[in-house]
Amino acid sequence: QQQVKQSPQSLIVQKGGIPIINCAYENTAFDYFPWYQQFPGKGPALLIAIRPDVSEKKEGRFTISFNKSAKQFSLHIMDSQPGDSATYFCAATVDSNYQLIWGAGTKLIIKP
Amino acid sequence: DTGVSQNPRHKITKRGQNVTFRCDPISEHNRLYWYRQTLGQGPEFLTYFQNEAQLEKSRLLSDRFSAERPKGSFSTLEIQRTEQGDSAMYLCASSLVWAGDPQFFGPGTRLTVL
Repeated sequence: QQQVKQSPQSLIVQKGGIPIINCAYENTAFDYFPWYQQFPGKGPALLIAIRPDVSEKKEGRFTISFNKSAKQFSLHIMDSQPGDSATYFCAATVDSNYQLIWGAGTKLIIKP
Repeated sequence: DTGVSQNPRHKITKRGQNVTFRCDPISEHNRLYWYRQTLGQGPEFLTYFQNEAQLEKSRLLSDRFSAERPKGSFSTLEIQRTEQGDSAMYLCASSLVWAGDPQFFGPGTRLTVL
């Protein structure tokens, strides 16, 4: 019940396309869902986060869609660029500053 | 630089040796977390502190692992009698204690046990 399942494991998209990464969770006590971006050899960097009281949140080219009844949330990257090539992790927690439960990651490659 | 810093960035050691890593959080952050990340996987929670108090430890944190935050500022993570399975990236994060404040991560310490 503590797991967060992330898919796909890897994704290749042409520049300008809209990659979509999906996550699903079981624990209904989770109430904070961040997405992190990680480049090789670096720590994860927070991209955007959402709480279950909203169905969508947008920050720049990044959008989270949240479906509370299905216990699923997804990340969309608009107008993707080669510089967006990285590994993306979804996570979930009870409250933002408790231990994060992470998905397995999606390695995203944006082709020029 | 006002972000989370970790030292060393890389550590190579022989099996059976002890190693210690340091994390300096963002200065006003009360909470400090340690995670471990193996290649191709998401980070796994190890432990976290609120000020100097260690509030939770994962079952992943065997008795060979110990973490301290003696003055509520920097933290150290020590691994005694290292094993090859300890090879991983050790990540530190910090946050404020208020709800809605995210965790900010350091660059990690990559440990290789030969």
